[in-house]
Amino acid sequence: DIVMTQSPDSLAVSLGERATINCKSSQSVLHSSNNKNYLAWYQLKPGQPPKVLIYWASTRESGVPDRFRGSGSGTDFTLTISSLQAEDVAVYYCQQYYSTPYTFGQGTKLEIK
Amino acid sequence: EVQLVESGGGLVQPGGSLRLSCAASGFTFSNYWMHWVRQAPGKGLVWVSHINNDGSATNYADSVKGRFTISRDNAKNTLYLQMNSLRAEDTAVYYCARRGDGGFFDYWGQGTLVTVSS
Repeated sequence: DIVMTQSPDSLAVSLGERATINCKSSQSVLHSSNNKNYLAWYQLKPGQPPKVLIYWASTRESGVPDRFRGSGSGTDFTLTISSLQAEDVAVYYCQQYYSTPYTFGQGTKLEIK
Repeated sequence: EVQLVESGGGLVQPGGSLRLSCAASGFTFSNYWMHWVRQAPGKGLVWVSHINNDGSATNYADSVKGRFTISRDNAKNTLYLQMNSLRAEDTAVYYCARRGDGGFFDYWGQGTLVTVSS
């Protein structure tokens, strides 16, 4: 199984400041056939279903604000929120969809400082 | 508008059974693979199972293999999860999710809570 490890577990950032969440996979999720990283980022708020923010490691889902940016390749990935807004308070998960079982990171809880 | 609505959760005793349903609307259900994902209280997301678009192929997490069965009825636009021999550690919110064209999970339901306790 591919193990996904996020850091940090929790993060407090001031409004308007940058938030950075890291995700490391135990093996590469870069598929050689199409040169795509099978890595997604989800946002989970209390009482709401998870929402996909980023897929293919860096493609923003339609409707997601451009302050959310995904980067990285192979085994190391980053989700960056360039200017934190109050509505961004949530738990963020990375996920590999390269192979089953599709595994998630343990989550990063993002709060306002 | 894509909608996924889970139902069937509740309180069940250890060793008992429960069947979850996920009613889909707003898209051609028979064209999409579907997943079940769960989240235990205070824990993270864990993939449980998936099924291909016509129901001919399924896959399960080791933790539920042999106890859970995923199925679908494309005529009814409904996904199911039959859960048998339930354990306390199966207590979780269960989400159904649609596999997007790229393989990631593009739409999720609101979830249904399953509590396994005596």
